[in-house]
Amino acid sequence: DQQVKQNSPSLSVQEGRISILNCDYTNSMFDYFLWYKKYPAEGPTFLISISSIKDKNEDGRFTVFLNKSAKHLSLHIVPSQPGDSAVYFCAASGDGYALNFGKGTSLLVTP
Amino acid sequence: KAGVTQTPRYLIKTRGQQVTLSCSPISGHRSVSWYQQTPGQGLQFLFEYFSETQRNKGNFPGRFSGRQFSNSRSEMNVSTLELGDSALYLCASSSTSRRESEQYFGPGTRLTVT
Repeated sequence: DQQVKQNSPSLSVQEGRISILNCDYTNSMFDYFLWYKKYPAEGPTFLISISSIKDKNEDGRFTVFLNKSAKHLSLHIVPSQPGDSAVYFCAASGDGYALNFGKGTSLLVTP
Repeated sequence: KAGVTQTPRYLIKTRGQQVTLSCSPISGHRSVSWYQQTPGQGLQFLFEYFSETQRNKGNFPGRFSGRQFSNSRSEMNVSTLELGDSALYLCASSSTSRRESEQYFGPGTRLTVT
């Protein structure tokens, strides 16, 4: 049972534009959310996180928005760069340690 | 600092065999977690070890087991391999067992079961 869903398997964006990656979750006990980025042949790398006490967290070009009532979070990348092309995973956790991951969205930023 | 290393990087085994995968965490990190990545299920949490004790466990059958040594290195064992065990197995380390601690992932071990 997939508790974290990334419904768009892929996304293509032009360089300089905004990339918006979406994630939905079903478990209302989740209160900590993360985004990871993964390049081929490498492990995922942490990008940004947000606690449920916030609705927005920003780090440079990356901003994560959390809508608790809709059980939805999104990652905005502005401006998008070709080096951002990778698979992005959304993850969530509740009071336990385990991270529940979505299946990932493959982002392609074209010049 | 050296990153998380996993050995071997690629492995081919036959159904029914067993396999042991190894993970060396970042120096000073005491928490090691294991994940299975498959195209159909995505990344799924297997278990986490902290100071040689299994602290958290995912929803996997008992064929999947692990351990952690006093130097924080961890091994994962899968017995009686099934075709569905073919996956990328990722190890991640962090400095504490708190979920807010950033997890650093290794490159993974690609296991193919034939």
